[in-house]
Amino acid sequence: NAGVTQTPKFRILKIGQSMTLQCTQDMNHNYMYWYRQDPGMGLKLIYYSVGAGITDKGEVPNGYNVSRSTTEDFPLRLELAAPSQTSVYFCASTRTANYGYTFGSGTRLTVV
Amino acid sequence: EDQVTQSPEALRLQEGESSSLNCSYTVSGLRGLFWYRQDPGKGPEFLFTLYSAGEEKEKERLKATLTKKESFLHITAPKPEDSATYLCAVQVQGSSNTGKLIFGQGTTLQVKP
Repeated sequence: NAGVTQTPKFRILKIGQSMTLQCTQDMNHNYMYWYRQDPGMGLKLIYYSVGAGITDKGEVPNGYNVSRSTTEDFPLRLELAAPSQTSVYFCASTRTANYGYTFGSGTRLTVV
Repeated sequence: EDQVTQSPEALRLQEGESSSLNCSYTVSGLRGLFWYRQDPGKGPEFLFTLYSAGEEKEKERLKATLTKKESFLHITAPKPEDSATYLCAVQVQGSSNTGKLIFGQGTTLQVKP
C-alpha cells in the first residue's frame, strides 16, 4: 500500500499565484487532515474532513480552501499566495477519530 | 486555551545514556495523548496513544507514561538511529469525533555514537 501520497514535494510560488496541493490515500480512511509545520511552532491544523462531502476549518484556515469529493482525495487550494504561507504542508489520515494518523511525506512550499 | 508544551527543545545524548522527554498539557479535558517520531524531511510516524493517567506503553527502547498534567517519553540505552524529532499531541474532549489534534513544538533528539 502507498499510504498517504502528497504531490508535489517541493514548489516555489510567486506572490499572488495560486496552486493546489494534492493528497490521496489508499487505506479507505474517512478522516483526513491538512497541517502546516513551521520551525519551532509545531503542527497547526488548517482544514479537516470526517468523510466525503464534509469539511471544516481548523486553527489556521485563512488563505486556504479544501474539497472532499471522494474518500481517497483531499486537495488543499492556496489562492493568492503570500510569503506567510511559506511552510511545510502535511496531509494525514486515520481510520477512526481516536486512532493515530498516517502522514504523507510533505510538500515544502516557498512563496517569494 | 488548550496548550501543549514540550521540553527540552533539543537534547543530545551519548549512545547508551538514558533520558526522558517531557510533554506538559493544559486542556479542558483530555481524550488522548499521542506520541510521534519525525525524521528530517519526512512526515511524522505514529508511536503511541495514552488515554488515562497511569497508563504506560512500550516499543523497543521507548516507554511512554501519562499523568494528569504531563507525559514522559523515556528512552532507555538509546542508539544513534533513535535520533529524530519527537512530537507530542493531545486530543481534547469534544473533538474526539473529529480526530483533531493539538501538537507541541517537538523535542529534537541527537544520539552520538
